[in-house]
Amino acid sequence: QQQVKQSPQSLIVQKGGISIINCAYENTAFDYFPWYQQFPGKGPALLIAIRPDVSEKKEGRFTISFNKSAKQFSLHIMDSQPGDSATYFCAASRHEKLTFGTGTRLTIIP
Amino acid sequence: DTAVSQTPKYLVTQMGNDKSIKCEQNLGHDTMYWYKQDSKKFLKIMFSYNNKELIINETVPNRFSPKSPDKAHLNLHINSLELGDSAVYFCASSQGPGGVSQETQYFGPGTRLLVL
Repeated sequence: QQQVKQSPQSLIVQKGGISIINCAYENTAFDYFPWYQQFPGKGPALLIAIRPDVSEKKEGRFTISFNKSAKQFSLHIMDSQPGDSATYFCAASRHEKLTFGTGTRLTIIP
Repeated sequence: DTAVSQTPKYLVTQMGNDKSIKCEQNLGHDTMYWYKQDSKKFLKIMFSYNNKELIINETVPNRFSPKSPDKAHLNLHINSLELGDSAVYFCASSQGPGGVSQETQYFGPGTRLLVL
């Protein structure tokens, strides 16, 4: 079964807008929640990550919001730019074992 | 000076053949991984080695065998290739001593395997 559910599958946002990607997990033993960004033909690269004892983490235009009781977390990209067009994966980890969501293909249009 | 490198980048082969993919990291990390990304882009861990010792072994056919000659290298050997093995295989590494979740995993560029 899919332990980390991600939505939407694809997302189109206008330049300057806010992109929001949501994830939900089932296993309460997960203790680390990273987001990875993947460009076509490249490997995934860590974008931002959060621990479950923190409700929000912001790095530049990227923010993770974390709701432990609901077992949900989301990625917000403010002032979205064409260069942000990529596939985004949420993940949840325990003992270095990353379980990935199904990915969101984000397209930023001018 | 690539951090995590994989060879080859592309691999096209016939069903039934045996092939290997090599991975090397120059980050001084202790832990290395193999992931499979299927045609729908779903990423799933296959194996993890910490300092040459196998620590994660997901439900992967035993036709897949990882080999770690030293902690900077983790190779993946695949016997009797099948059509369903076609995917992108990613190697990754992290600094963790094992059992530490909060370590960034650095991914290689991937090896695109096509089985005909």
